[in-house]
Amino acid sequence: ETGVTQTPRHLVMGMTNKKSLKCEQHLGHNAMYWYKQSAKKPLELMFVYSLEERVENNSVPSRFSPECPNSSHLFLHLHTLQPEDSALYLCASSEKAKGLAVATGELFFGEGSRLTVL
Amino acid sequence: KQEVTQIPAALSVPEGENLVLNCSFTDSAIYNLQWFRQDPGKGLTSLLLIQSSQREQTSGRLNASLDKSSGRSTLYIAASQPGDSATYLCAVDSGSARQLTFGSGTQLTVLP
Repeated sequence: ETGVTQTPRHLVMGMTNKKSLKCEQHLGHNAMYWYKQSAKKPLELMFVYSLEERVENNSVPSRFSPECPNSSHLFLHLHTLQPEDSALYLCASSEKAKGLAVATGELFFGEGSRLTVL
Repeated sequence: KQEVTQIPAALSVPEGENLVLNCSFTDSAIYNLQWFRQDPGKGLTSLLLIQSSQREQTSGRLNASLDKSSGRSTLYIAASQPGDSATYLCAVDSGSARQLTFGSGTQLTVLP
């Protein structure tokens, strides 16, 4: 396995369900990201984990709960979602140096998980 | 707050034509700029990364330029092919939040 792998590729869930999206990177990177891509809108950053600590949370609703157990794995736990949460959820990884105001290295994306909330 | 704009939103060209995609950003204090390609229903593939100190980067038929002072970048595609059909996105790394801000993309169709 190489690159960034996301599972499942497609997910359909009701508003009362609980599900999780999984991301795994095999690039040796130390930062991982969740992005949301909705139709006709730019990619929106949801969460950033660097060295397994969450360093950014762009005011995402609590019905989305991230988990980063180690530098290679990232999860997005979903519960009581709304139909407007239907979107393509993209995971990415990069090499990120420590400290503030430091550039992000080249970003590598997974194929995405297409989520439909009924 | 950084804003990234890509014009045009869609572009259709005949095969073999050279073309330019545009990206503009409002805050010139950037660390780097990346160009990505996205095929329908797929993730993003990184094409080129230009550091703030660089003026351009080249990869095969692709050439990306960066003019920080004017807040612009262009992606030049030479001798376009139908396989180049995809959405092209630019993203700017800037600000104390050190996060990428994406444009909405240019959807390119290369007609055989």
